[in-house]
Amino acid sequence: NAGVTQTPKFRVLKTGQSMTLLCAQDMNHEYMYWYRQDPGMGLRLIHYSVGEGTTAKGEVPDGYNVSRLKKQNFLLGLESAAPSQTSVYFCASTPRGQSVPEAFFGQGTRLTVV
Amino acid sequence: AQSVTQPDIHITVSEGASLELRCNYSYGATPYLFWYVQSPGQGLQLLLKYFSGDTLVQGIKGFEAEFKRSQSSFNLRKPSVHWSDAAEYFCASSSRGSGTYKYIFGTGTRLKVLA
Repeated sequence: NAGVTQTPKFRVLKTGQSMTLLCAQDMNHEYMYWYRQDPGMGLRLIHYSVGEGTTAKGEVPDGYNVSRLKKQNFLLGLESAAPSQTSVYFCASTPRGQSVPEAFFGQGTRLTVV
Repeated sequence: AQSVTQPDIHITVSEGASLELRCNYSYGATPYLFWYVQSPGQGLQLLLKYFSGDTLVQGIKGFEAEFKRSQSSFNLRKPSVHWSDAAEYFCASSSRGSGTYKYIFGTGTRLKVLA
């Protein structure tokens, strides 16, 4: 049972380069999220999706774009990477209809922008 | 606005000692409350969750948490810490809005266990 899988696990980018982080979940969850984790700041929500074909901005969306063309996948894109985007990125998913909605997390992607 | 505060950035305890990690939340109603643990280089794993019912919640790995509405707190406890408990712990709250659940995380407490 894979759960939430993030690809890649590590990446180093040069300033100005672009990349896409892939999140895939095999639990048929409706809701998906992208967070970034920075020291002393906990996890901050970048974008989220309430279903296939829908996305919305979270707390820190600037510099990122997302797409959810398929229910099981949620892509996070950086069009022009900046050093401030050096972080650990986590994808999470939640099922709809749970009495206490638990978020399931991927293993994270460590991104360094130089 | 919803918020979660973990006042302790670092905590060090000896193996076998008891542990209490503090968490305070701010929300108009009772939110969903969670404790997650993150081992180095890993994702977040759910320890326990609460919304209603018995205010003392049992979780995995011998952890428990107590919800106290009067103090807006949801503190995590363990009676006897093991070296493998060294990790970072996050308290989180969630509420429904904009068609989904929005999770707010505290800044985390890093636990060090002395042998």
